[in-house]
Amino acid sequence: DQQVKQNSPSLSVQEGRISILNCDYTNSMFDYFLWYKKYPAEGPTFLISISSIKDKNEDGRFTVFLNKSAKHLSLHIVPSQPGDSAVYFCAASAPNTPLVFGKGTRLSVIA
Amino acid sequence: NAGVTQTPKFRILKIGQSMTLQCAQDMNHNYMYWYRQDPGMGLKLIYYSVGAGITDKGEVPNGYNVSRSTTEDFPLRLELAAPSQTSVYFCASSYSSGLAGGRGTQYFGPGTRLLVL
Repeated sequence: DQQVKQNSPSLSVQEGRISILNCDYTNSMFDYFLWYKKYPAEGPTFLISISSIKDKNEDGRFTVFLNKSAKHLSLHIVPSQPGDSAVYFCAASAPNTPLVFGKGTRLSVIA
Repeated sequence: NAGVTQTPKFRILKIGQSMTLQCAQDMNHNYMYWYRQDPGMGLKLIYYSVGAGITDKGEVPNGYNVSRSTTEDFPLRLELAAPSQTSVYFCASSYSSGLAGGRGTQYFGPGTRLLVL
């Protein structure tokens, strides 16, 4: 039973354009959401997070949007750069419970 | 700060062998975690610890054991290795206080690639 779903295994975007990575969740108790980025042969690194009391959080080129009614969040990267090419994991947690990760989406930014 | 370090980077085990994956962090984090990542899959939590002397099972604990005798170290023990344990193992740590539970940003090590033949 997958509680956090990233239905697109891969995404290709041209440099300078917007990248939109999507994530759906099923557990209505989730109230904290994060995105992690992973390069090959490295561990994941934290990118951005959002609490359920917000519907948007922005950090430079990265913005996460949360739609609680749809149980959906998305990560927008504008403008996309070749160095953004990586696997992006969506993660969620309920109070006092560990994070649950999605399967990841591989983003390729083409110069 | 070295952050989170893991050893070894890569290991081949024969079925039935045992080994310990080492993990250490120098950030004085109270929470530590072990995940495995199978090809095309997300990270699955094996065990976690909220502080020295306290550990708890995650989603996929069978076949593994952990201990946390110090704040810095969180070794993962594989007893009787099986081919199903072929995976990449990541250790992570975070700091959380009070009601935040395990919400702190997790810092990951570079991973240990394990092949069981």
